[in-house]
Amino acid sequence: SQQGEEDPQALSIQEGENATMNCSYKTSINNLQWYRQNSGRGLVHLILIRSNEREKHSGRLRVTLDTSKKSSSLLITASRAADTASYFCATYPTGGGNKLTFGTGTQLKVEL
Amino acid sequence: GAGVSQSPRYKVAKRGQDVALRCDPISGHVSLFWYQQALGQGPEFLTYFQNEAQLDKSGLPSDRFFAERPEGSVSTLKIQRTQQEDSAVYLCASSSYLRENEQFFGPGTRLTVL
Repeated sequence: SQQGEEDPQALSIQEGENATMNCSYKTSINNLQWYRQNSGRGLVHLILIRSNEREKHSGRLRVTLDTSKKSSSLLITASRAADTASYFCATYPTGGGNKLTFGTGTQLKVEL
Repeated sequence: GAGVSQSPRYKVAKRGQDVALRCDPISGHVSLFWYQQALGQGPEFLTYFQNEAQLDKSGLPSDRFFAERPEGSVSTLKIQRTQQEDSAVYLCASSSYLRENEQFFGPGTRLTVL
């Protein structure tokens, strides 16, 4: 079963705008990751944030993690048409071995 | 290329047929994972290998699903007596020993059972 849910399910914005996606999860985690999936390149790892971190940046990506609320957010700044894809959060539960548990995903469409 | 490859990319099977899906991980990657992704959903874990050892198969939905990695590199996911509910994209991922939290995914095999 899915670990958590993402919100919104779908998001449509104009190029240049920022996009924010949220993820909630259910159990204690070791780390949380964000992946992007599109038909051209499959599922690609974007960024990992550990349970003892609160914020992390990578290029135009900013991820926050609130373990007390069991939630994370992904911000994509200055979006481009090429950012159009589905975005998934995935967690490694504490003590859960190497089993990644994915959320339900947010479909982002960036229009010119 | 140096990425994870999967074959076939598309497979259509009649209900009741057996299918075999292949995964070639990144060379040297110790860990290999299989996931099932239904339409509009996130991937769901099926099974995990470390070298040739299958350490976790808790996600396999039934005993019709079987995975192997006999020499610790290429892996095959076999589904016997396919059912319509098996229709999904099957993703393979691998990770290295040093960066085991970062999984590299293949393009997937889209299985359609008629």
